[in-house]
Amino acid sequence: EVQLVESGGGLVKSGGSLRLSCAASGFSFSIYSMNWVRQAPGKGLEWVSSISSGSRYIHYADSVRGRFTISRDNSKTSLYLQMNNLRAEDTAVYYCAREMITDAAFDVWGQGTMVTISS
Amino acid sequence: EIVLTQSPGTLSLSPGEGATLSCRASQSVSSSYLAWYQQKPGQAPRLLIYGATTRATGIPDRFSGSGSGTDFTLTISRLEPEDFAVYHCQHYISSITFGQGTRLEIK
Repeated sequence: EVQLVESGGGLVKSGGSLRLSCAASGFSFSIYSMNWVRQAPGKGLEWVSSISSGSRYIHYADSVRGRFTISRDNSKTSLYLQMNNLRAEDTAVYYCAREMITDAAFDVWGQGTMVTISS
Repeated sequence: EIVLTQSPGTLSLSPGEGATLSCRASQSVSSSYLAWYQQKPGQAPRLLIYGATTRATGIPDRFSGSGSGTDFTLTISRLEPEDFAVYHCQHYISSITFGQGTRLEIK
């Protein structure tokens, strides 16, 4: 079964750090580009970051650039998001999502992990 | 950055009726890179349509996508009870943006 499982969320104080993980299984992780997408409570979806299959191409939303770092370990079939200098507006459910090979839409999503930033 | 505006914000319909959801882009986008997702409460989004018109694997044919340029539409014919959810459109080339979502609720 194709699956993505996020972990690492929790309650952190403003200015703190957190590292999210996304464990992939059931598919050839190393050939897919991957993304992080977040959703603040009661709000819409916001793309956060993307990383190509071999980590050559990395992109960030303006709202997180300079604070968040995306990475992956293909040998461990895992995706990561290092989040530093966290702000209240970073409070959200964070999803990892797989990009299709033949298209760039997101065809597989994890169940999400909640990140709450307290002031 | 391309801004996607979805309308209406909320759509109230009855099972069996048809639904038309709109997604308008702030500038012309390639239809090859426009997707629609369905999201139910407490769940992750699910890909419905990509390339503006292509149904994802396992998506029933009552879901269809159309449009080009700045105006895109998701049509659901004959609503089933499980179709009531929030729908998001997404543009995914050069920059990745989502619309704010349309909530489809039971009337």
